[in-house]
Amino acid sequence: ETGVTQTPRHLVMGMTNKKSLKCEQHLGHNAMYWYKQSAKKPLELMFVYSLEERVENNSVPSRFSPECPNSSHLFLHLHTLQPEDSALYLCASSLLIGDTEAFFGQGTRLTVV
Amino acid sequence: GIQVEQSPPDLILQEGANSTLRCNFSDSVNNLQWFHQNPWGQLINLFYIPSGTKQNGRLSATTVATERYSLLYISSSQTTDSGVYFCAVVDYKLSFGAGTTVTVRA
Repeated sequence: ETGVTQTPRHLVMGMTNKKSLKCEQHLGHNAMYWYKQSAKKPLELMFVYSLEERVENNSVPSRFSPECPNSSHLFLHLHTLQPEDSALYLCASSLLIGDTEAFFGQGTRLTVV
Repeated sequence: GIQVEQSPPDLILQEGANSTLRCNFSDSVNNLQWFHQNPWGQLINLFYIPSGTKQNGRLSATTVATERYSLLYISSSQTTDSGVYFCAVVDYKLSFGAGTTVTVRA
């Protein structure tokens, strides 16, 4: 049990579908993050939330839409994705943004067909 | 942003061997973490180490913040140590290196 849980673990979706990734943390943290890991590339930060407010959007296309309804939950809504969006999507949390240890969920492996 | 470089990119070890992985970073950081990514993709926390040395079983890490590098030592490697090892530095967010892929052969 890592304290950060992501669902689903695997997702296959068509380019016209709409789906959502869910992340939940049970660590009492105030900051949550979405990262993307594509094959043969370093992890890329997508979004950062602190106390439910988005503090960073790293030039992510609008077909990815984050939502943070409370400090324990983070969603990534997906629509009209492209095959190149296929990747491992990782959620993380930390007590605060900055100099506190971050913990990651198991990831969602997304395939866009 | 801060640049993070890891070396070597790939490492093949015989079971029982020792190894050192290196992480260089381009600017001052608040903190540094080492992770092991297992075959299923999950990032497992190994060390949270702004400076000094920490040990956890067969693994240890040393960060010399003034010289902007960190080292991860694996001793008496086992096949279960295989995977990708990431270094990530913290300014206000985690910035990752490209990783070192470790393969331990029986």
